[in-house]
Amino acid sequence: AQKITQTQPGMFVQEKEAVTLDCTYDTSDPSYGLFWYKQPSSGEMIFLIYQGSYDQQNATEGRYSLNFQKARKSANLVISASQLGDSAMYFCAMREDTGPWDNYGQNFVFGPGTRLSVLP
Amino acid sequence: ETGVTQTPRHLVMGMTNKKSLKCEQHLGHNAMYWYKQSAKKPLELMFVYNFKEQTENNSVPSRFSPECPNSSHLFLHLHTLQPEDSALYLCASSQDLPGVKTQYFGPGTRLLVL
Repeated sequence: AQKITQTQPGMFVQEKEAVTLDCTYDTSDPSYGLFWYKQPSSGEMIFLIYQGSYDQQNATEGRYSLNFQKARKSANLVISASQLGDSAMYFCAMREDTGPWDNYGQNFVFGPGTRLSVLP
Repeated sequence: ETGVTQTPRHLVMGMTNKKSLKCEQHLGHNAMYWYKQSAKKPLELMFVYNFKEQTENNSVPSRFSPECPNSSHLFLHLHTLQPEDSALYLCASSQDLPGVKTQYFGPGTRLLVL
């Protein structure tokens, strides 16, 4: 079963508008972390934002915010005031805090990604 | 400037060649990872090294051979690859302490196997 689902293969947004990228996840572990990464055409995966399963407040980092709805198991990324440089693939990822001690919480699972195109 | 570097950035090799990918992290982390990113497929974790010890091998074919001589360096040795191994290979590192454990990625090596 898919642990991370990103239902939007591609999204378009007008420059300076806000956009929400969807992410739902599946886990039975009470302790986990959720991450968003940006991958421009150059290939590098750039860490954007993190949300812990026990965090009470939604994470924010500059123009990025994470809309965390734990009961619905969703962790949507909101980008405010889109810029042309935001055009990229965006990946949602989850780290479950289970497993043997020697790799505790190290295994990330990535979603299939959403390609965001910002229009001038 | 990225804290994780990878060389080469691009590689074309024949199926009989032997080559190595190199990853170096300058972040003081103690865990390193190899991922494979193929077109239209989710990112696949290949290997995990924690304090230089391999802790994860996700059923990767033996034609991929990792090496981690120290916590800052990670290699992926390639031999007798297949065309379907063509992909972007990403290296990442993280600090293995309780908490966030964010993985930081290098720019990747684009590999084409002919």
